[in-house]
Amino acid sequence: QKEVEQNSGPLSVPEGAIASLNCTYSDRGSQSFFWYRQYSGKSPELIMFIYSNGDKEDGRFTAQLNKASQYVSLLIRDSQPSDSATYLCAVKSITSGTYKYIFGTGTRLKVLA
Amino acid sequence: NAGVTQTPKFQVLKTGQSMTLQCAQDMNHNSMYWYRQDPGMGLRLIYYSASEGTTDKGEVPNGYNVSRLNKREFSLRLESAAPSQTSVYFCASSEVLYRSQETQYFGPGTRLLVL
Repeated sequence: QKEVEQNSGPLSVPEGAIASLNCTYSDRGSQSFFWYRQYSGKSPELIMFIYSNGDKEDGRFTAQLNKASQYVSLLIRDSQPSDSATYLCAVKSITSGTYKYIFGTGTRLKVLA
Repeated sequence: NAGVTQTPKFQVLKTGQSMTLQCAQDMNHNSMYWYRQDPGMGLRLIYYSASEGTTDKGEVPNGYNVSRLNKREFSLRLESAAPSQTSVYFCASSEVLYRSQETQYFGPGTRLLVL
């Protein structure tokens, strides 16, 4: 089992719809959870981070964390063609003072105009 | 304010050659990271440096060495390149503000091909 799992997609949604991206993780000691957006040929860019159970909203983006289910999701409201990219889920944990950042392989999102 | 810069942008090496990838940040961040990104594998942490003078292994450190030259600069060295090291390499830096609030800023990447 991969430590951080994402559906590779592509996930296709029409413009204006809600895109829902999901991520599961295996390490119960994980402390912080991140969503990055990566356009083709570019570097990852942080969109959201979350560390407490529940929802965190920032503009059109909402991150949801459920530690009991080891599940984190990203909702994108009013999706735009410019949101078309690969979305990477990342999990950070600290074990014996050592950081561990694990990234998922990403979900490719296509927003159709 | 350039953020995180990486040199070179592209490099072709022959098997067995050595090279150093350079990374610098101007955001006064304590932590710096080196990742590689391969198709279908996602980003994998090679090494990181939590502060100047310290370095630690990540998930895939074999075949690499690093140097945290000062607070700004963190270099990655391939002593004897192998085709398996063909990848896109990203450097990142971050600052933990409070309660795990952290933002990693990534450089533009170095595309390395080992023949």
